[in-house]
Order: sequence, then C-alpha cells, then structure tokens
Amino acid sequence: NAGVTQTPKFQVLKTGQSMTLQCAQDMNHEYMSWYRQDPGMGLRLIHYSVGAGITDQGEVPNGYNVSRSTTEDFPLRLLSAAPSQTSVYFCASSYSSGFSYGYTFGSGTRLTVV
Amino acid sequence: QQPVQSPQAVILREGEDAVINCSSSKALYSVHWYRQKHGEAPVFLMILLKGGEQKGHDKISASFNEKKQQSSLYLTASQLSYSGTYFCGTERVGSGNTGKLIFGQGTTLQVKP
Repeated sequence: NAGVTQTPKFQVLKTGQSMTLQCAQDMNHEYMSWYRQDPGMGLRLIHYSVGAGITDQGEVPNGYNVSRSTTEDFPLRLLSAAPSQTSVYFCASSYSSGFSYGYTFGSGTRLTVV
Repeated sequence: QQPVQSPQAVILREGEDAVINCSSSKALYSVHWYRQKHGEAPVFLMILLKGGEQKGHDKISASFNEKKQQSSLYLTASQLSYSGTYFCGTERVGSGNTGKLIFGQGTTLQVKP
C-alpha cells in the first residue's frame, strides 16, 4: 500500500496563478482532509470530506476549493495564489469516527508564492 | 474552537518524564495525539474516544477526562527519539463536526543526552 500520496512535493507559483494540489489514498478511507502548516501556527484545517460527494469548510477555507468525486482522490485547488498562501500543505485520511484509527498524513507539498 | 496545549515547549534529559496537556472549551468526541519530527509529516500516536479511557503505547500513554474536556499525554523515561513536536487534535460532539479534526498549536519536546 502506498498510503497517502501527495503531488507535487515542491511548487513555486506567481501571484495570481492557479494550481491543483493532488492527494490520493489507497486505504479505502472515508475521511480526507487538507491542512496547512505555517511556522508557529500548528496545523490548520482548510477543507475536509466525510465521503465521496461530501465536502465542508474547515478553519481557513478562503482561497481554496475542493471536490471529492471518488473515495480515493481529494484535490485542493488554489484559485488565485497569494503570498499569504505560502505554506506546507498536508493531506490526511482516516476511517470514519468511532474507530480507534487516526489519520495517515501524506508527505506534504511545500508551496511558495512569489 | 482550537484546543489549547500546554506547555509550549519542554526540554528534558534522557530518562526524565513529561506531561503534555490539551484542553477544549467544547464537548469532545475524540482526542488524537500526533508527533511530528522536523521536516516530516505528523505521525499518529493514539486516539481516545468519548468515555474517559486511558491508553498506552510503549512508554507513551494518554488519558481523557470527559468531564473537564481535557487530555494528557504522558511520556515516561524519555528517549532521544521522543524529540519532536506533539499535537493534539480534537473532534467535537455533534453530527456537524463528524470528520472535522482541529489541532492545537503544538508542544515542542527536546530530549537531551
């Protein structure tokens, strides 16, 4: 099993450009989430999904869109990149609530917006 | 909404014990604990579900006080490999919060020889 796969690992964008961060998991997890991590700010939830076709906003959703058409994939779209979106982005997945399983994280995408 | 962790940082000598606390002002369904080493992704340690149970994982254990909405992570006889940043993540009670895991700001633990 590959676990949670994120691509790309590194990306540099110019202000105003758009792009999609890819996330795929092969563990048949129902839950998937996107987090951003900035120095001293911990992990902040951007968007999350509890199943295919179901998404919801997290703590910091502005400037980002998500969709989940399949159980495996949960892409994150930056609509018009801004320097404030420079961060490390983590995708994570888990079985549904009520089970003694935690989230498995991808290796992250380091994004710089110039 | 974000849980509050304390302390923000801890420095230990090998073999010493540490406790990291996580508290919330809202009713919790679950508390997760993760460790992240520099430049790496967070790694799951354990989960405590509503019910006040205590769990153990080698020399790392945790408790969840449902009445106080507090969880504590206990690191016993610390090893160099315990160094890193520890995060608690909380999932609140209520159907609208299913799958919404919110993390605290983290506690940096440094174990010295």
